[in-house]
Amino acid sequence: NAGVTQTPKFQVLKTGQSMTLQCAQDMNHNSMYWYRQDPGMGLRLIYYSASEGTTDKGEVPNGYNVSRLNKREFSLRLESAAPSQTSVYFCASGRDRGLSEQYFGPGTRLTVT
Amino acid sequence: EDKVVQSPLSLVVHEGDTVTLNCSYEVTNFRSLLWYKQEKKAPTFLFMLTSSGIEKKSGRLSSILDKKELFSILNITATQTGDSAIYLCAVVEGGSEKLVFGKGMKLTVNP
Repeated sequence: NAGVTQTPKFQVLKTGQSMTLQCAQDMNHNSMYWYRQDPGMGLRLIYYSASEGTTDKGEVPNGYNVSRLNKREFSLRLESAAPSQTSVYFCASGRDRGLSEQYFGPGTRLTVT
Repeated sequence: EDKVVQSPLSLVVHEGDTVTLNCSYEVTNFRSLLWYKQEKKAPTFLFMLTSSGIEKKSGRLSSILDKKELFSILNITATQTGDSAIYLCAVVEGGSEKLVFGKGMKLTVNP
């Protein structure tokens, strides 16, 4: 099992450019999540998907959109990147509603200049 | 206002020391509390606690939850340099899928 995979690992964007971060899991989990991690801020939830076909906003959704393409895949899109979106982005998946651990992907380091 | 507060935010110890990491939380409908260890890359799961007073243990690491006082501690005994990492505490509120993370605690274990 690959677990949770993310692409790309690194990305540099210019302000105003768009991009999509891809995430896939092979653990047959229902729930998937996108987080960002900034120094001194811990992990903050951007969006999550409790099941295929549903998505909900987390703590910091502004400037992002998501798509739960199928049970395996959950993508995060930046339509018009801003320097404030420079961060490390983690995708995660989990089996049960709040009663099981989440497994994290390796992260994407994004720099917006 | 932070719902999950970790303390201390950083700690430097010597190999062999014992450390206690604290996590306090304030949520309206507690479901579970999780501890993660983060080295260079992704957080890796350590423990999940749902019941008060029951210790979870894995080797030199142990954790316990106090639902009355709304906190959890993570103990690491006989620390090793490989324990150097950021330790994250997160809480799940009932009815929600969401983990709310604390800011993390950076542990450095010197030889």
